[in-house]
Amino acid sequence: DSGVTQTPKHLITATGQRVTLRCSPRSGDLSVYWYQQSLDQGLQFLIQYYNGEERAKGNILERFSAQQFPDLHSELNLSSLELGDSALYFCASSGQASSYNSPLHFGNGTRLTVT
Amino acid sequence: LAKTTQPISMDSYEGQEVNITCSHNNIATNDYITWYQQFPSQGPRFIIQGYKTKVTNEVASLFIPADRKSSTLSLPRVSLSDTAVYYCLVGNQAGTALIFGKGTTLSVSS
Repeated sequence: DSGVTQTPKHLITATGQRVTLRCSPRSGDLSVYWYQQSLDQGLQFLIQYYNGEERAKGNILERFSAQQFPDLHSELNLSSLELGDSALYFCASSGQASSYNSPLHFGNGTRLTVT
Repeated sequence: LAKTTQPISMDSYEGQEVNITCSHNNIATNDYITWYQQFPSQGPRFIIQGYKTKVTNEVASLFIPADRKSSTLSLPRVSLSDTAVYYCLVGNQAGTALIFGKGTTLSVSS
C-alpha cells in the first residue's frame, strides 16, 4: 500500500460530460502529480502541485484542470469528455518539490471509460 | 532532460538473474538515475535510485559505471511475480516531473 488514495476506482460516463477525480497523498507529502496512461500513449505526465501551488505542467489539455487544496488533497477535473480520454489516471505524491531525488508514490488509479 | 534508451522487452525464467541496461548518454552532472516497476492496472512502484557506483536494497541492485552514461538494474533470482514493466528515468530539475518512456517489459516464465 503506497498510502496514496484515489477515488473513484472506476468511472463510466458519456461524451461531453464532466468528471472529477480525487487524490489524497501520503501523510506529510506536499507534492501531488497527475499522470494519464492509455494503451497507445504510455504514462503521460499531466500536472504537478506542490503545497497548493502549480509546480510543473505537462501535456495537459485545456479541457482538463486540477487543483490542490489546503489539506493537500488534489482534484483533477476533466470536462467535455471525448472517447480518447478513456484511460487510467494516476495520482502520485512525494515529499519534495523535485520528483527526481524524492521517490514518487503512486495510487492505484482511476479507470475512466467514456462511452 | 536526459533521454533514456532501454530494451522494449526481455524474457527470463524463474530463478535467473535479470539485468536490464538503460542508456543515458546525455546525463547531466546533477542527474539521478531512478527505476520504477509497474504491474498491469497498477501505479508504478519505486524500486531503486542511484547517482554513481553501486546501490543495493532488498529488491534490486543498480550498477552505474564511472561515466554514468548507462546503468544496469539487476534483479536477483526472479520469480513469476517479477513480470512487469520496468522504467528507467534520469533527471534532477525541480520544476519538471518524471517523464516515463516505454519501459522494458520483463516476462518471467516457469
